Amino acid sequence: AQKVTQAQTEISVVEKEDVTLDCVYETRDTTYYLFWYKQPPSGELVFLIRRNSFDEQNEISGRYSWNFQKSTSSFNFTITASQVVDSAVYFCALSEGSNFGNEKLTFGTGTRLTIIP
Amino acid sequence: DTAVSQTPKYLVTQMGNDKSIKCEQNLGHDTMYWYKQDSKKFLKIMFSYNNKELIINETVPNRFSPKSPDKAHLNLHINSLELGDSAVYFCASSQREYDTQYFGPGTRLTVL
Repeated sequence: AQKVTQAQTEISVVEKEDVTLDCVYETRDTTYYLFWYKQPPSGELVFLIRRNSFDEQNEISGRYSWNFQKSTSSFNFTITASQVVDSAVYFCALSEGSNFGNEKLTFGTGTRLTIIP
Repeated sequence: DTAVSQTPKYLVTQMGNDKSIKCEQNLGHDTMYWYKQDSKKFLKIMFSYNNKELIINETVPNRFSPKSPDKAHLNLHINSLELGDSAVYFCASSQREYDTQYFGPGTRLTVL
């Protein structure tokens, strides 16, 4: 069964600091997909990134970067030079790709990030 | 242009009532989903449909009945509402089953 663990329930950092959100996953599939979503205080779920299990390259998008390491089953998310607008709940999620007909997203419990001005 | 839309955004009702939430996507996606987010922010899938066919039903009480009149719409009907049904319900869609899912704005259901 698939599982996603976000051990950090809440994190607070001062604006302009860097912050890393941890995500550890469990799956028996060799084909799977990892995601990060952002849920700002307004409540919508905003897609940030999708990664497949065969692509371990790290990704950078502006101030956001993601570190995917299959050896430790982790898919961590770093925000550089944080801003108040980054305050949100961040969810890591996993979808198994080879169990045809059951490709649901399993979410972690989320990390609430607060950026202090 | 809204990609995934849900109505209503807020729904307040009494225990025992029946209510529906509507979802529409204009992305041309084949797969649609319903998720429930509880008061602790935990997100869990309820149903998924692919081209109007039910694919996933995650042990949801049969008071919840999804209906997909066409692949752009997936509605959720809830009978005999209970206090524990209070939550935010999100609709989502994706092109294929394991593609990126795009979420609607959510419907906050409060059962009194």
